[in-house]
Amino acid sequence: DIQMTQSPSSLSASVGDRVTITCRASQSISSYLNWYQQKPGKAPKLLIYAASSLQSEVPSRFSGSGSGTDFTLTISSLQPEDSATYYCQQSYNTPRTFGQGTKVEIK
Amino acid sequence: EVHLVESGGGLVQPGGSLRLSCAASGFTFSWFWMSWVRQAPGKGLEWVANIKQDGSEKSYVDSVKGRFTISRDNAKNSLSLQMNSLRAEDTAVYYCARDGYSSAPFPQYYFDYWGQGALVTVSS
Repeated sequence: DIQMTQSPSSLSASVGDRVTITCRASQSISSYLNWYQQKPGKAPKLLIYAASSLQSEVPSRFSGSGSGTDFTLTISSLQPEDSATYYCQQSYNTPRTFGQGTKVEIK
Repeated sequence: EVHLVESGGGLVQPGGSLRLSCAASGFTFSWFWMSWVRQAPGKGLEWVANIKQDGSEKSYVDSVKGRFTISRDNAKNSLSLQMNSLRAEDTAVYYCARDGYSSAPFPQYYFDYWGQGALVTVSS
């Protein structure tokens, strides 16, 4: 199985800050990488697919990059509503594995 | 508008069985792979199983193989997960998710719609 490792596990940043979350795969997954946002008590929401494609209606302050084993989710200007846990997920093969999550808090 | 609504969760004793259902609406159900994803209390997301559009292909995470069975009824726009021999570690919120597909920039899948989740608690 492909292991997905996110860093950091949590972070605290101020409104307007640029925030970067990284995700590393245990083997090359090309660009088969998706990012999700989950708020407490809610289902996850797709943000980015194919490593860098923005899902419809997702704010443009979210962006993704990377290929192979190393990927990045960037929030260009953190907003209060971005307080959530973020997960990466590989769709290269089955089982579809997720990272352990990164909790983003607002200072 | 796409809607996925899970039902059938509850409290069950270890070794018991439970069947989850997911009612789909707002899209052509038979065109999409479908998945179950679970989340143990306070933990991360874990993909559990998926099923092809016509039900001819199914895959499972190793920890549920031989115990869980995914199925679908395209005539009723319904997805199911039969869970047998349940263990305490199966306690989780179970989400029904649509496997969205895009051919651009290259063919690949992602979970683009999710239900609200059904809580399964395995405890004596």
